[in-house]
Amino acid sequence: KQEVTQIPAALSVPEGENLVLNCSFTDSAIYNLQWFRQDPGKGLTSLLLIQSSQREQTSGRLNASLDKSSGRSTLYIAASQPGDSATYLCAPGREETSGSRLTFGEGTQLTVNP
Amino acid sequence: DGGITQSPKYLFRKEGQNVTLSCEQNLNHDAMYWYRQDPGQGLRLIYYSQIVNDFQKGDIAEGYSVSREKKESFPLTVTSAQKNPTAFYLCASRNPGTTGELFFGEGSRLTVL
Repeated sequence: KQEVTQIPAALSVPEGENLVLNCSFTDSAIYNLQWFRQDPGKGLTSLLLIQSSQREQTSGRLNASLDKSSGRSTLYIAASQPGDSATYLCAPGREETSGSRLTFGEGTQLTVNP
Repeated sequence: DGGITQSPKYLFRKEGQNVTLSCEQNLNHDAMYWYRQDPGQGLRLIYYSQIVNDFQKGDIAEGYSVSREKKESFPLTVTSAQKNPTAFYLCASRNPGTTGELFFGEGSRLTVL
């Protein structure tokens, strides 16, 4: 069974800092990995999707890397802003006999202080 | 606009009552999913469906039921057998034929009094 761990559980930084969120997973037989953002009381918004054949993806100030063999992914946020404050979740996806499914970590709660 | 619509956004029910949460998508996605989220926790998979008229149990299916009669719709019923139904419920969909990206609705918060 896939298990996903995200470190740190919470992070508070001043505006403008560059930061790294970590995600590790136990089963490396994945087809992709997604990073999501969740604001309080809201659904999840997809930030980046990395296919298993890729090493990284970039979108604006966000960069996600994937090391499938070691079961690790990182989300790098450059020049953080107060609007980046949210919970960030990673979810590796696997194909199983009953269909495809993603497993979620518990998330990293990020606070960016003005 | 294309997306996933969940309703109602907030729902209050008494213990012992069944409730049904609606999930509709117009993204033409084949696969749909129901997750449950408790405070400070990640998402746990309740049920998923890869195609119309077919669905599979996830990790915490006990006390829940679903149907998939139409591609666009995947309603979730929280039955009286669910021992702790108060939670935030999230519906998602995915098209395996393209990037496999998962998209979410805005969620439904169920409170059992």
